Amino acid sequence: DTEVTQTPKHLVMGMTNKKSLKCEQHMGHRAMYWYKQKAKKPPELMFVYSYEKLSINESVPSRFSPECPNSSLLNLHLHALQPEDSALYLCASSAGLSQPQHFGDGTRLSIL
Amino acid sequence: GEDVEQSLFLSVREGDSSVINCTYTDSSSTYLYWYKQEPGAGLQLLTYIFSNMDMKQDQRLTVLLNKKDKHLSLRIADTQTGDSAIYFCAENGSSASKIIFGSGTRLSIRP
Repeated sequence: DTEVTQTPKHLVMGMTNKKSLKCEQHMGHRAMYWYKQKAKKPPELMFVYSYEKLSINESVPSRFSPECPNSSLLNLHLHALQPEDSALYLCASSAGLSQPQHFGDGTRLSIL
Repeated sequence: GEDVEQSLFLSVREGDSSVINCTYTDSSSTYLYWYKQEPGAGLQLLTYIFSNMDMKQDQRLTVLLNKKDKHLSLRIADTQTGDSAIYFCAENGSSASKIIFGSGTRLSIRP
């Protein structure tokens, strides 16, 4: 079992829908991350938050909007996604930016 | 640039040892990691090693680090069917917050 919890596990949405992915950790970690993983590929970093502030945005399209309401929660708001955005979205957290990252089980997203 | 390379496939017989190898380019890495990903699941942090260590052992897992050759290996003793997964080698390179992943090695177990 992972200590990083992601919901929902699966999400199917149309290109005009708005949805959100949620991530929660209670390990007291101060850094949280969003990754995108396509099939048979390693994860690709999307966003990094440190102490609830956006630290890194890896040139992600604006249809993905991250939010960190508090130190335990990380959201990813989705709007007007494209079929190529279908992937496994992974959340991770670490005690600090240079510390080992712990991943959740991911949300498998399908865009119709 | 930063790069992590590993072979794509490894097949071993149940009960044998598995050795997964990885090479990396950035000598400034603080940590080097092994992550395990089972089908349909997220990444599990299997083990990691500080860059100032040569070896780390944790039950059936042994990590060896050769800093001179920038080579990392993961040995799994007494490989079981539950070890079937993709294993990602990774380093944090010159960026404190960004992990550089290898392409992953798919480990399959033969009866």
